[in-house]
Amino acid sequence: RKEVEQDPGPFNVPEGATVAFNCTYSNSASQSFFWYRQDCRKEPKLLMSVYSSGNEDGRFTAQLNRASQYISLLIRDSKLSDSATYLCVVNGGVGNFNKFYFGSGTKLNVKP
Amino acid sequence: NAGVTQTPKFRVLKTGQSMTLLCAQDMNHEYMYWYRQDPGMGLRLIHYSVGEGTTAKGEVPDGYNVSRLKKQNFLLGLESAAPSQTSVYFCASRERLAGAFNEQFFGPGTRLTVL
Repeated sequence: RKEVEQDPGPFNVPEGATVAFNCTYSNSASQSFFWYRQDCRKEPKLLMSVYSSGNEDGRFTAQLNRASQYISLLIRDSKLSDSATYLCVVNGGVGNFNKFYFGSGTKLNVKP
Repeated sequence: NAGVTQTPKFRVLKTGQSMTLLCAQDMNHEYMYWYRQDPGMGLRLIHYSVGEGTTAKGEVPDGYNVSRLKKQNFLLGLESAAPSQTSVYFCASRERLAGAFNEQFFGPGTRLTVL
Protein backbone atom coordinates (compact mmCIF):
# COMPACT_ATOMS: atom_id res chain seq x y z
CA ARG A 1 0.00 0.00 0.00
CA LYS A 2 1.29 3.47 -0.86
CA GLU A 3 2.10 5.81 2.02
CA VAL A 4 0.15 8.65 0.40
CA GLU A 5 -2.60 8.37 -2.19
CA GLN A 6 -4.21 11.05 -4.31
CA ASP A 7 -6.68 11.15 -7.17
CA PRO A 8 -4.51 12.04 -10.19
CA GLY A 9 -7.33 13.98 -11.89
CA PRO A 10 -7.24 16.03 -13.98
CA PHE A 11 -9.80 18.31 -12.44
CA ASN A 12 -11.02 20.67 -15.17
CA VAL A 13 -12.87 23.65 -13.70
CA PRO A 14 -13.92 27.10 -14.94
CA GLU A 15 -12.46 30.27 -13.48
CA GLY A 16 -14.21 31.24 -10.28
CA ALA A 17 -15.14 27.69 -9.35
CA THR A 18 -14.47 26.04 -6.01
CA VAL A 19 -12.54 22.79 -6.16
CA ALA A 20 -11.49 20.33 -3.47
CA PHE A 21 -8.82 17.65 -3.39
CA ASN A 22 -8.39 14.86 -0.89
CA CYS A 23 -5.38 12.80 0.02
CA THR A 24 -5.19 9.73 2.26
CA TYR A 25 -2.16 8.54 4.20
CA SER A 26 -1.42 5.13 5.66
CA ASN A 27 0.76 5.82 8.71
CA SER A 28 -1.31 6.86 11.72
CA ALA A 29 1.88 8.04 13.47
CA SER A 30 2.60 10.73 10.87
CA GLN A 31 2.86 14.16 12.46
CA SER A 32 3.31 16.74 9.75
CA PHE A 33 1.33 17.33 6.60
CA PHE A 34 1.73 19.67 3.66
CA TRP A 35 0.39 20.67 0.30
CA TYR A 36 2.99 21.55 -2.34
CA ARG A 37 2.34 22.97 -5.75
CA GLN A 38 4.29 21.86 -8.81
CA ASP A 39 4.13 23.61 -12.16
CA CYS A 40 4.95 21.68 -15.31
CA ARG A 41 8.63 20.66 -15.41
CA LYS A 42 9.42 22.78 -12.33
CA GLU A 43 10.36 22.02 -8.76
CA PRO A 44 7.69 21.64 -6.05
CA LYS A 45 7.02 24.67 -3.86
CA LEU A 46 5.25 24.78 -0.53
CA LEU A 47 1.64 25.92 -0.76
CA MET A 48 0.73 25.42 2.87
CA SER A 49 1.30 23.29 5.91
CA VAL A 50 -1.72 21.49 7.33
CA TYR A 51 -2.30 21.83 11.04
CA SER A 52 -4.59 19.78 13.24
CA SER A 53 -6.99 22.67 13.66
CA GLY A 54 -7.08 23.36 9.94
CA ASN A 55 -5.74 26.50 8.38
CA GLU A 56 -6.61 29.05 5.74
CA ASP A 57 -4.46 31.22 3.52
CA GLY A 58 -6.47 33.53 1.31
CA ARG A 59 -8.45 31.38 -1.13
CA PHE A 60 -6.87 28.16 0.12
CA THR A 61 -8.11 26.09 3.07
CA ALA A 62 -6.48 22.91 4.32
CA GLN A 63 -8.04 20.41 6.72
CA LEU A 64 -6.70 17.35 8.51
CA ASN A 65 -8.84 14.43 9.62
CA ARG A 66 -6.66 12.19 11.78
CA ALA A 67 -9.40 9.67 12.55
CA SER A 68 -9.90 8.92 8.85
CA GLN A 69 -6.30 9.71 7.89
CA TYR A 70 -7.02 12.16 5.14
CA ILE A 71 -6.04 15.69 4.26
CA SER A 72 -8.04 18.05 2.10
CA LEU A 73 -7.32 21.20 0.13
CA LEU A 74 -10.08 23.58 -0.88
CA ILE A 75 -9.48 26.29 -3.48
CA ARG A 76 -12.12 29.00 -3.79
CA ASP A 77 -12.58 31.41 -6.69
CA SER A 78 -10.14 29.50 -8.91
CA LYS A 79 -7.77 31.54 -11.07
CA LEU A 80 -6.09 30.53 -14.30
CA SER A 81 -2.81 30.77 -12.42
CA ASP A 82 -3.95 27.99 -10.05
CA SER A 83 -3.47 25.46 -12.87
CA ALA A 84 -0.77 23.11 -11.59
CA THR A 85 -0.27 19.76 -9.92
CA TYR A 86 -0.91 19.67 -6.18
CA LEU A 87 1.19 17.28 -4.14
CA CYS A 88 0.18 15.94 -0.76
CA VAL A 89 3.16 15.33 1.55
CA VAL A 90 3.27 13.45 4.84
CA ASN A 91 6.16 12.67 7.14
CA GLY A 92 7.06 9.24 8.44
CA GLY A 93 6.10 7.96 11.85
CA VAL A 94 8.18 7.34 14.94
CA GLY A 95 11.87 7.37 14.08
CA ASN A 96 11.14 8.72 10.62
CA PHE A 97 9.94 12.24 11.29
CA ASN A 98 12.53 13.65 8.89
CA LYS A 99 11.48 11.42 6.01
CA PHE A 100 8.73 12.64 3.74
CA TYR A 101 6.35 10.78 1.47
CA PHE A 102 4.77 12.41 -1.55
CA GLY A 103 1.54 11.56 -3.25
CA SER A 104 1.61 11.27 -7.02
CA GLY A 105 -0.21 14.59 -7.32
CA THR A 106 -3.58 15.89 -8.46
CA LYS A 107 -3.62 17.91 -11.65
CA LEU A 108 -5.83 21.00 -11.80
CA ASN A 109 -6.71 22.79 -15.03
CA VAL A 110 -8.58 26.08 -14.63
CA LYS A 111 -10.25 27.14 -17.86
CA PRO A 112 -11.33 30.67 -18.91
CA ASN B 1 20.91 33.96 -2.04
CA ALA B 2 20.82 31.27 -4.71
CA GLY B 3 18.82 28.86 -2.51
CA VAL B 4 19.26 25.28 -3.72
CA THR B 5 21.18 24.69 -6.92
CA GLN B 6 21.74 21.46 -8.83
CA THR B 7 24.44 20.53 -11.32
CA PRO B 8 24.05 19.47 -14.10
CA LYS B 9 20.58 20.40 -15.35
CA PHE B 10 20.54 17.73 -18.06
CA ARG B 11 22.59 14.64 -18.73
CA VAL B 12 22.50 11.66 -21.05
CA LEU B 13 24.40 8.54 -20.00
CA LYS B 14 24.98 5.17 -21.54
CA THR B 15 24.18 2.04 -19.56
CA GLY B 16 27.04 1.24 -17.21
CA GLN B 17 28.49 4.75 -17.05
CA SER B 18 28.86 6.53 -13.74
CA MET B 19 28.14 10.09 -12.74
CA THR B 20 27.70 12.38 -9.75
CA LEU B 21 24.92 14.90 -9.25
CA LEU B 22 25.79 17.88 -7.09
CA CYS B 23 23.36 19.72 -4.85
CA ALA B 24 24.39 22.90 -3.08
CA GLN B 25 22.47 25.11 -0.66
CA ASP B 26 23.42 28.46 0.82
CA MET B 27 20.77 28.62 3.56
CA ASN B 28 22.83 26.81 6.22
CA HIS B 29 20.21 24.05 6.39
CA GLU B 30 20.93 20.90 8.36
CA TYR B 31 18.77 18.50 6.39
CA MET B 32 19.19 17.61 2.74
CA TYR B 33 17.32 15.17 0.52
CA TRP B 34 17.54 13.50 -2.86
CA TYR B 35 14.32 12.50 -4.62
CA ARG B 36 13.49 11.08 -7.99
CA GLN B 37 10.29 11.83 -9.87
CA ASP B 38 8.90 9.50 -12.51
CA PRO B 39 5.69 10.06 -14.50
CA GLY B 40 2.62 9.22 -12.45
CA MET B 41 4.63 8.23 -9.36
CA GLY B 42 5.27 11.46 -7.51
CA LEU B 43 8.56 12.09 -5.72
CA ARG B 44 10.30 9.18 -4.05
CA LEU B 45 13.04 9.62 -1.47
CA ILE B 46 16.38 8.10 -2.45
CA HIS B 47 18.68 9.16 0.40
CA TYR B 48 18.74 11.93 2.92
CA SER B 49 21.07 13.56 5.43
CA VAL B 50 20.36 15.10 8.82
CA GLY B 51 23.75 16.77 9.08
CA GLU B 52 27.29 16.98 7.80
CA GLY B 53 28.90 13.56 7.66
CA THR B 54 25.60 11.65 8.03
CA THR B 55 23.44 9.92 5.44
CA ALA B 56 20.47 7.58 5.56
CA LYS B 57 18.47 5.48 3.11
CA GLY B 58 15.10 6.51 1.79
CA GLU B 59 12.46 4.52 -0.07
CA VAL B 60 14.46 3.71 -3.22
CA PRO B 61 18.21 3.72 -2.38
CA ASP B 62 19.39 0.81 -4.53
CA GLY B 63 21.86 1.78 -7.25
CA TYR B 64 22.70 5.12 -5.63
CA ASN B 65 25.26 6.36 -3.14
CA VAL B 66 25.50 9.72 -1.40
CA SER B 67 27.98 11.79 0.54
CA ARG B 68 27.67 14.87 2.73
CA LEU B 69 31.25 15.94 3.40
CA LYS B 70 30.32 19.60 3.69
CA LYS B 71 27.15 20.98 5.21
CA GLN B 72 26.23 22.91 2.10
CA ASN B 73 26.72 20.07 -0.40
CA PHE B 74 24.97 16.75 -0.92
CA LEU B 75 26.24 14.50 -3.71
CA LEU B 76 24.31 11.71 -5.39
CA GLY B 77 26.31 9.08 -7.24
CA LEU B 78 25.30 6.48 -9.79
CA GLU B 79 28.06 3.89 -10.04
CA SER B 80 26.69 1.96 -12.99
CA ALA B 81 23.73 3.67 -14.60
CA ALA B 82 20.74 1.63 -15.78
CA PRO B 83 17.81 2.68 -18.01
CA SER B 84 15.53 2.32 -14.95
CA GLN B 85 17.37 5.32 -13.47
CA THR B 86 16.08 7.60 -16.20
CA SER B 87 14.21 10.20 -14.18
CA VAL B 88 14.11 13.76 -12.92
CA TYR B 89 16.17 14.15 -9.76
CA PHE B 90 15.32 16.81 -7.21
CA CYS B 91 17.42 17.89 -4.28
CA ALA B 92 15.87 19.63 -1.29
CA SER B 93 17.06 21.20 1.93
CA ARG B 94 15.30 21.96 5.18
CA GLU B 95 16.13 23.81 8.33
CA ARG B 96 16.35 22.00 11.65
CA LEU B 97 13.54 23.39 13.78
CA ALA B 98 11.44 22.01 16.60
CA GLY B 99 8.64 19.90 15.17
CA ALA B 100 8.59 18.89 11.54
CA PHE B 101 6.47 21.59 9.90
CA ASN B 102 9.29 23.46 8.28
CA GLU B 103 9.37 23.66 4.55
CA GLN B 104 11.58 21.78 2.14
CA PHE B 105 13.23 24.02 -0.47
CA PHE B 106 13.83 22.32 -3.78
CA GLY B 107 16.41 22.77 -6.47
CA PRO B 108 15.37 23.07 -10.14
CA GLY B 109 16.00 19.40 -10.89
CA THR B 110 18.36 17.33 -13.05
CA ARG B 111 16.88 15.50 -16.03
CA LEU B 112 18.83 12.28 -16.51
CA THR B 113 18.39 9.89 -19.42
CA VAL B 114 20.15 6.53 -19.45
CA LEU B 115 20.31 4.86 -22.85
